[in-house]
Amino acid sequence: NAGVTQTPKFQVLKTGQSMTLQCAQDMNHEYMSWYRQDPGMGLRLIHYSVGAGITDQGEVPNGYNVSRSTTEDFPLRLLSAAPSQTSVYFCASSYDGSSGNTIYFGEGSWLTVV
Amino acid sequence: GDSVTQMEGPVTLSEEAFLTINCTYTATGYPSLFWYVQYPGEGLQLLLKATKADDKGSNKGFEATYRKETTSFHLEKGSVQVSDSAVYFCALSDVGGTSYGKLTFGQGTILTVHP
Repeated sequence: NAGVTQTPKFQVLKTGQSMTLQCAQDMNHEYMSWYRQDPGMGLRLIHYSVGAGITDQGEVPNGYNVSRSTTEDFPLRLLSAAPSQTSVYFCASSYDGSSGNTIYFGEGSWLTVV
Repeated sequence: GDSVTQMEGPVTLSEEAFLTINCTYTATGYPSLFWYVQYPGEGLQLLLKATKADDKGSNKGFEATYRKETTSFHLEKGSVQVSDSAVYFCALSDVGGTSYGKLTFGQGTILTVHP
């Protein structure tokens, strides 16, 4: 009963490095999204996808890239890490786009950029 | 755009005390409303939700009622336990019928319950 799985859980990067946060879900959900969590700011949407091959920007997309080649996977790429990207990242998924639909979250990835 | 405002924290209570965490929202239509909980070192879990006005969501002794007239969704529990210590997030879904998995979150309220 895996749900939404994120890897890695912890990562330290140097400024300018690139990396990919992996996200996979086994619930056959069409909708997937990435959020970042910063103190006092709640969670903010980075990118989202409404199905394989379809992605769109959220509230804070700069410095991040996504793709959705399969229904199950939705990786988040940091192109050139900056200290401002130090945050906790959450991947989420939901079955469909209805407003009251429950959204499921992964356990988070703690990223520090030095 | 949509927004969610939660009461400032942190909130510190003694075990068995009554809990209220205020949440108000701004939206152009009729959003669905959620409370998520984040225990230390873990991800977010759905605590309860309400999808239309006057609906009451409830789970694990927590309750919240969707009040359209006051645009509020306050979280309450009659008797908190130490195990309720966590961060609580109020959130709303995008309006217009399809949310595309997007939520707008409040800033979170840290709750600490002492024995």
